Amino acid sequence: ELQLVESGGGLVQPGGSQRLSCAASGFIFSNYWMSWVRQAPGKGLEWVANIKEDGSEKYYVDSVKGRFTISRDNAKKSVYLQMNSLRAEDTAVYYCARDNDAGWLDPWGQGTLVTVSS
Amino acid sequence: DIVMTQSPDSLAVSLGERATVNCKSSQNILYSSNNKNYLAWYQQKPGQPPKLLIYWASTRASGVPDRFSGSGSGTDFTLTISSLQADDVAVYYCQEYYSTPLYTFGQGTKLEIK
Repeated sequence: ELQLVESGGGLVQPGGSQRLSCAASGFIFSNYWMSWVRQAPGKGLEWVANIKEDGSEKYYVDSVKGRFTISRDNAKKSVYLQMNSLRAEDTAVYYCARDNDAGWLDPWGQGTLVTVSS
Repeated sequence: DIVMTQSPDSLAVSLGERATVNCKSSQNILYSSNNKNYLAWYQQKPGQPPKLLIYWASTRASGVPDRFSGSGSGTDFTLTISSLQADDVAVYYCQEYYSTPLYTFGQGTKLEIK
């Protein structure tokens, strides 16, 4: 069964850091790009970042460039999102998802909530 | 950057009736070399992650009921639910992947029962 399980969310102060993890199972992890997508409370979906199969290419939405870093460990079948200089507007549920072929996302994890507040 | 605009923002449809959600891209997302539209649709039920419904604008994902269909080309796309079921209450999102590896979602359309 395809499965993605996120962890690492929680309450963090503005300006702080948080590292999210996503553990994959049920597919050959090293064969796929992986993405992070976030959803602010009551709002829509926003693609945040993705990473190539071997980690050699990484892309970000403009609003997180220079603050967030995506990485992966294919031996651990995991993808990570290091979030620094967090702002209140980064408060959201963060989902990891598998990129397929040209770019649709499937499956998705259950998400982990990051709350940035003092 | 491509902007995806969905309409309406919300709609209410009676059980058994047809529901239609529209998605418009700010630029053409039909790739001429393969004649494919780089568009996907997702369903998100309350408290759940999004679920892929359709990719390549009209190809149903595995396990998706055939009452769901996607159509359109170029800049204008439609998700149709032919006979609304109670289980279809959700928010629906379109996503372009023409800009791959960068992606953009529409703002979402909330579907309710009338």
